This record gives sequence, structure tokens and C-alpha cells, in this order.
Amino acid sequence: DTEVTQTPKHLVMGMTNKKSLKCEQHMGHRAMYWYKQKAKKPPELMFVYSYEKLSINESVPSRFSPECPNSSLLNLHLHALQPEDSALYLCASSQGAGTGSWEQYFGPGTRLTVT
Amino acid sequence: SQQGEEDPQALSIQEGENATMNCSYKTSINNLQWYRQNSGRGLVHLILIRSNEREKHSGRLRVTLDTSKKSSSLLITASRAADTASYFCATDASGTYKYIFGTGTRLKVLA
Repeated sequence: DTEVTQTPKHLVMGMTNKKSLKCEQHMGHRAMYWYKQKAKKPPELMFVYSYEKLSINESVPSRFSPECPNSSLLNLHLHALQPEDSALYLCASSQGAGTGSWEQYFGPGTRLTVT
Repeated sequence: SQQGEEDPQALSIQEGENATMNCSYKTSINNLQWYRQNSGRGLVHLILIRSNEREKHSGRLRVTLDTSKKSSSLLITASRAADTASYFCATDASGTYKYIFGTGTRLKVLA
């Protein structure tokens, strides 16, 4: 199974809502990532988890809160978002992280719209 | 700022022609990867080239890496309509966990 799944595929939320994005992989990968991608732009790294520990937080606002409950799951909790947070949120995983050459496997993304 | 800059930003070719896209980056790297993204979907890994490699092939793909010029190129030979997508290079700055994606090339292959 070389698949990364993400739910939901689409999400519309108001600025006062709390919602969560979910990501799952069963490849035994030990690193998982969240990226944000605006239209016609490259993905921008938000968070990296390595061995279930947060290793990189790219100065992301606290209204985005990541969580890694176990080695297969990654969540992104959303609260009090702004319309400019509307984007495609991509989850990825890789066999390892850090020094080395690690291919990333991406999920299909969650299209988020904040109204 | 982003690690990689790609050119051209957009490329339109006829089916059967070759497509070449270039990536330049700023700092030393462990490896460089190329990804494809179909419209509004997840990225698919195409090929990884390590900093001590100069050229790599995978099917119709050929990637070169010139670390002295901090640049890479991706060549797609005998293009097909199904190759229509955005292509991104991604580099890992040495000693970090982070992959930074280039600005991307939007390729359109006309049938």
C-alpha cells in the first residue's frame, strides 16, 4: 500500500469554526508533513513530524495546530481561520527524515475554503 | 525565500515533442527531486538525483544535475497529452529536514 489518504477532500468553514484535517499512511513511514499550497504556487512546508515528534514548525500561526497521535496518523486542527488561509492542504510522508534522500509520498489534498 | 526557481514558468508543446524545464537553487544540497502535479491534486514523485550524481534516467525522463552551477534540468521525451501538469523541483538544504519546492513549470502538451 503506497497511498496517503486525506479527509475530507473539500471543507468550507467559517472564521469561528473549529475543524480538523486528517491524514493517514500505512507504509511504515516515520516522517509526515503538512504543506499549504495556494493556486499556481508551489507547496509551502508547514510542519514536519519525525518519529511522532514535531521537528519543524515553519513559523505557522497558532490557529493551525498539528497532532500526530501515532506513526500512521497526522491531524491538522483548525481554529479561527482567516479567508487568506483558503488553500489546498497537502499531507505527505517519507520513510525517514533528516540527512538522507527521502522520497515523499503525497496525499490528494484537502481543498479548504474559509468564509 | 524559496530554494528553487524554475524556468520556463509555462511551456506549451505538441505531442511527440520533447519538453525541457530547468531548476536553479541557492544553497548546497543532499539531493534534488522532481515532482508532477496534475491540476489541483497531490504531487507525484518522479525522480531523485543525489548531489554526487550528474545524470539519471527513468523511462522517458532524464534529469541532470550541475552542483557547480546549482542547477538541474528535467527532460521529458516524446511527450504525451497525459504529461500535461505542473512540474516542481524540490531541494533539501544540507543538514535540514526541509524540502523547499521551486516555483514550478506548467506544461501543456497539445494533442
